[in-house]
Amino acid sequence: QQQVKQSPQSLIVQKGGIPIINCAYENTAFDYFPWYQQFPGKGPALLIAIRPDVSEKKEGRFTISFNKSAKQFSLHIMDSQPGDSATYFCAAPWGGGADGLTFGKGTHLIIQP
Amino acid sequence: EAQVTQNPRYLITVTGKKLTVTCSQNMNHEYMSWYRQDPGLGLRQIYYSMNVEVTDKGDVPEGYKVSRKEKRNFPLILESPSPNQTSLYFCASSLISKGADGYTFGSGTRLTVV
Repeated sequence: QQQVKQSPQSLIVQKGGIPIINCAYENTAFDYFPWYQQFPGKGPALLIAIRPDVSEKKEGRFTISFNKSAKQFSLHIMDSQPGDSATYFCAAPWGGGADGLTFGKGTHLIIQP
Repeated sequence: EAQVTQNPRYLITVTGKKLTVTCSQNMNHEYMSWYRQDPGLGLRQIYYSMNVEVTDKGDVPEGYKVSRKEKRNFPLILESPSPNQTSLYFCASSLISKGADGYTFGSGTRLTVV
């Protein structure tokens, strides 16, 4: 049972544009929300994460915006570059005593030169 | 270098032939997980382990087994592989529960069952 729903499935943006990837969650007990970045042939790697007590977090050109009332969080990439082309996953930790993360289905992002 | 090592990277096998995918981490992490990645479905958790001899089912455990006899190793066992287990598999580990410090993923094992 998927607990985070991610959109869009794919996205093409011109260099310098601001791609936005959205995630909606169901369980209000999540205590942090990470984004992972995956390049072809590699495993996912943590990009940035946010806790639900803040509305925004920036790390370099990457920003997470969090809307608690709407149960949504989104990833924005400022001044996007071709090197940002990758698959991006939002995620949330499993509730209760289970360990691990539940992931969104992923967004395949292409930044055109 | 801190890393999660999976072997093999690629594997083609036949239906019903038992196989093991190995996973080893050198970071002294307690928490380890196996995920499978399929197009359009994202990453789905198969099994996880919170310490030596402590394992439990994830979201899609059917057809898989795991063991955690040592802290560093977490092998994934397919007793009787079937074509629907053709997938890209990732092992991951973290120091803190639920990957709050960020999961370290291996480079993946691409399995094809014919």
